Amino acid sequence: GAGVSQSPRYKVTKRGQDVTLRCDPISSHATLYWYQQALGQGPEFLTYFNYEAQPDKSGLPSDRFSAERPEGSISTLTIQRTEQRDSAMYRCASSTRPPTGDGNQPQHFGDGTRLSIL
Amino acid sequence: GQNIDQPTEMTATEGAIVQINCTYQTSGFNGLFWYQQHAGEAPTFLSYNVLDGLEEKGRFSSFLSRSKGYSYLLLKELQMKDSASYLCAAFRNQGGKLIFGQGTELSVKP
Repeated sequence: GAGVSQSPRYKVTKRGQDVTLRCDPISSHATLYWYQQALGQGPEFLTYFNYEAQPDKSGLPSDRFSAERPEGSISTLTIQRTEQRDSAMYRCASSTRPPTGDGNQPQHFGDGTRLSIL
Repeated sequence: GQNIDQPTEMTATEGAIVQINCTYQTSGFNGLFWYQQHAGEAPTFLSYNVLDGLEEKGRFSSFLSRSKGYSYLLLKELQMKDSASYLCAAFRNQGGKLIFGQGTELSVKP
């Protein structure tokens, strides 16, 4: 697609429920990132994919968080047994190629999913 | 450790020049990005510096000093639409991770 698309735009759920967020990156972009952004803060790295491989998931806050990108395009972020502290904006970004020594690969962000846990 | 510091907020006047500073301590540092984020919107890429010096792009310029762990974003001829949060982000070579600062909320007043 023309830009990074995320769905749903808003998600409200009760504590303890599982949620799955979806990201459709810019077509042909090899690399996809997931971030969590609290209000008034910068995005915090969660995990990223090079195609379908997931080289780094060090930012995932707990084992309740998992992400997939099985075919190297669309990705999902799943939060199991949600807690109120999981409430945040979840942003996806994509870049043209995997990061190498040259970091000059701007990440293009989606509009995010605003997750609210009641 | 990894630490990005930038002022929380700044105010400037339309038509003026403003400089937003960013200091960083990031292991495996290999470049610095600036992003602009309007309220309720996604961050959008402004600039990237990997070598020391100044990169100019129209009204926006970005500077990097790797030895000092310091960068700034310079905005000239400020317009009201420049009111936004400006995010400094250090790129880590290992893992391709971007470490963002908290953002500087810039308010441009007439």
